[in-house]
Amino acid sequence: KQEVTQIPAALSVPEGENLVLNCSFTDSAIYNLQWFRQDPGKGLTSLLLIQSSQREQTSGRLNASLDKSSGRSTLYIAASQPGDSATYLCAVSAGANSKLTFGKGITLSVRP
Amino acid sequence: NAGVTQTPKFQVLKTGQSMTLQCAQDMNHEYMSWYRQDPGMGLRLIHYSVGAGITDQGEVPNGYNVSRSTTEDFPLRLLSAAPSQTSVYFCASRQALFSGNTIYFGEGSWLTVV
Repeated sequence: KQEVTQIPAALSVPEGENLVLNCSFTDSAIYNLQWFRQDPGKGLTSLLLIQSSQREQTSGRLNASLDKSSGRSTLYIAASQPGDSATYLCAVSAGANSKLTFGKGITLSVRP
Repeated sequence: NAGVTQTPKFQVLKTGQSMTLQCAQDMNHEYMSWYRQDPGMGLRLIHYSVGAGITDQGEVPNGYNVSRSTTEDFPLRLLSAAPSQTSVYFCASRQALFSGNTIYFGEGSWLTVV
């Protein structure tokens, strides 16, 4: 059974810092991996999707990388801002028509 | 564009009561799903549907029923609520079952069973 782990559960950084959020998964036979953002009291918003054949995806200040063989993905946030404060979740899919398996998320706080 | 709309936002139930959480999407998506999110457990899939008239069980289906009579709507029914069903429920949809499509989530329904 696929397990997705995100450590640490919470992170606090000063504004302007570059930071990396980690995601690991136990079964490397994934189809794709997605990163989501969840604001307090809200639903999830998709940030980046990386196909298994890709190494990374970028959107603005966000860069997600994927190392399938080691079962790891990282979400890099450049020049963090207080508005980046949220919970970030990663999820993997085993196949084209498979469901998503989610990690528990990392709650990020960016201090002004 | 409303996206995925869930109602109610908050609900308190007594043990044994029944209720329906509503979910509607206006993007003509074939795939719709229900998740529950619990502290320390992450999101877990309850039920999903790949089109009108087609539903299937997810990871934690016990105690919940679903139906899909239209493309737009995917209600989640609790037949006899239990305290263990206290949770935040999210409805999500995407164009098709294909996991490479962007998935859209509703804003959640907070349910407390006392």
